[in-house]
Amino acid sequence: AIQLTQSPSSLSASVGDRITITCRASQSITTSLAWYRQKPGKAPELLIHDASSLGSGVSSRFSGSGSGTDFTLTISSLQPEDFATYYCQQFNRYPLTFGGGTKVEIK
Amino acid sequence: EVQLVESGGGLVQPGRSLRLSCAPSGFSFDDYAMHWVRQVPGKGLEWVSGISWNGGSIGYADSVKGRFTISRDNAKNSLYLQMNSLRADDTALYFCAKGMRAWDLLPLDSWGQGTPVTVSS
Repeated sequence: AIQLTQSPSSLSASVGDRITITCRASQSITTSLAWYRQKPGKAPELLIHDASSLGSGVSSRFSGSGSGTDFTLTISSLQPEDFATYYCQQFNRYPLTFGGGTKVEIK
Repeated sequence: EVQLVESGGGLVQPGRSLRLSCAPSGFSFDDYAMHWVRQVPGKGLEWVSGISWNGGSIGYADSVKGRFTISRDNAKNSLYLQMNSLRADDTALYFCAKGMRAWDLLPLDSWGQGTPVTVSS
């Protein structure tokens, strides 16, 4: 199975900060990568698909980049609702896999 | 509005079986792939299984292969997960999720709120 390694596993930031989360795949997945945000007690929400395409209705403060094995999620200006856990997911081949998550906390 | 409502979770003894269901609404069910994803409270997401729009393509996580079976009934607008030989490490909140399109190897763009499964004697 393809392994996804996210870093950092957690970070502290303030409202208005710019943050970047990385996701590394154990083998090439071209651009078959998605990013999700999960608020506490809620289901995940799709933010980015195909590495860099914004999900439907998702704010433009979210952006994604990368291909092959290295990917990033950037939030240009953190909002209060962005303090949550973020997951990357590959859909290049079965079994689909998720990264371990990055928890974004308020500094 | 897309809605996915899971049901069938509960407390079950190790080695027993359970069948989860997912009732979709707000979209044309037979046009989309569907998936099950689980999450142990306080832990990360684990993809469990996925099925294409017509059941022609199916995948499973290694941890459930041979024990769990995903299926769908497009005529009844329903998704299922038959879970056999349950183990304590299957304890989790199980989410039903909709794929972006008919093909199963695509992102998951809508999620239900989950149904809890506890495997314990």
